[in-house]
Amino acid sequence: AQSVAQPEDQVNVAEGNPLTVKCTYSVSGNPYLFWYVQYPNRGLQFLLKYITGDNLVKGSYGFEAEFNKSQTSFHLKKPSALVSDSALYFCAVRDQGDDMRFGAGTRLTVKP
Amino acid sequence: GAVVSQHPSRVICKSGTSVKIECRSLDFQATTMFWYRQFPKQSLMLMATSNEGSKATYEQGVEKDKFLINHASLTLSTLTVTSAHPEDSSFYICSARDLWRDYEQYFGPGTRLTVT
Repeated sequence: AQSVAQPEDQVNVAEGNPLTVKCTYSVSGNPYLFWYVQYPNRGLQFLLKYITGDNLVKGSYGFEAEFNKSQTSFHLKKPSALVSDSALYFCAVRDQGDDMRFGAGTRLTVKP
Repeated sequence: GAVVSQHPSRVICKSGTSVKIECRSLDFQATTMFWYRQFPKQSLMLMATSNEGSKATYEQGVEKDKFLINHASLTLSTLTVTSAHPEDSSFYICSARDLWRDYEQYFGPGTRLTVT
């Protein structure tokens, strides 16, 4: 069975600074990895995914993530944070043919 | 792009009544639909997986007689919370997997259920 961990409940950054939201995973096969963002009382919005190919994945709103197989990580990054990036971020993993499992979520706060 | 809708977005019901939540894939066919539950400030917990025309597969600890799931077509799944109790109050999110792009999974906007 697959699992995913987000070691930080909360990440605080200043506007304009780079941000990183961490994610590590565990699967038995080749993983499908995803990042979603959730605003209050809303569903999940897709940011990016890694299925295969280039380890650096670029997604929506200037976010990117790097798949690191040796460290089993898929950290979400953005070079310059915006106040509007403040939200709840979920990393998810899916083993091929299996269900998607979510991390506990990381609350990102970007301060002006 | 692929859109998943949920209806209603918000519902308040009294204890003991039943409430139905609809999930539709608007512009794609979904082989599989998923129902998640989310408590405040917590992650999404998978409740059940449903394939069109088949019985849903429930996660351990989820009462299948209480949370009835029907997946009658490739674009519609429903979740009925039967004999609702206040502890069933939660945010319910459905998700659908694209028939032709199996790795893609799209999420609905969620339904806030409050049982009084």
